[in-house]
Amino acid sequence: AAGVIQSPRHLIKEKRETATLKCYPIPRHDTVYWYQQGPGQDPQFLISFYEKMQSDKGSIPDRFSAQQFSDYHSELNMSSLELGDSALYFCASSPTSGASYNEQFFGPGTRLTVL
Amino acid sequence: AQTVTQSQPEMSVQEAETVTLSCTYDTSESDYYLFWYKQPPSRQMILVIRQEAYKQQNATENRFSVNFQKAAKSFSLKISDSQLGDAAMYFCAYRSWGGSEKLVFGKGTKLTVNP
Repeated sequence: AAGVIQSPRHLIKEKRETATLKCYPIPRHDTVYWYQQGPGQDPQFLISFYEKMQSDKGSIPDRFSAQQFSDYHSELNMSSLELGDSALYFCASSPTSGASYNEQFFGPGTRLTVL
Repeated sequence: AQTVTQSQPEMSVQEAETVTLSCTYDTSESDYYLFWYKQPPSRQMILVIRQEAYKQQNATENRFSVNFQKAAKSFSLKISDSQLGDAAMYFCAYRSWGGSEKLVFGKGTKLTVNP
């Protein structure tokens, strides 16, 4: 079965640089979520999109922005990177109908290291 | 705001034995979803089991079952016949029925399975 695809899987950046993380949801999933998991921490919700519109916003820094495109893939843009942004970034997707309604299926994550 | 508490940072179990992971949550909502996610060393987030709050029957998935006590706001996970592959971090998560679809996670319980 198709899964959520995230790219890149690993990313190393310098402080003050920018980074773009991409997420390709499971086909026919119309909702995408982004989570940030710091070392030894639980995942924290950042932002979500439904049908290309922002549906909810969590503890996402102003330096971060995200969008969902017409093909439902999503991108998380991160600017002025700080050491504290080093984390595992998960994308998850969910359908709004069917047996898996309201379950969130997670991608493998993008490990971002800021030096 | 909803909160999820996992009071056991670490647990261990002998292979083939049974272990129970605890989770409590705080909410003023009457309808919601509860989940247990498994995060092995690969860091992939894997859904183990889900429970809808309106369902009185406890969810079961093969060797995994829950004890859902709505009045006590308790949602424990029982793993029977533990296997080496069950070793992982386990996160309890809460999701509202309507409104915000974000997952709110507990801090996690690290499960070790001893041969």
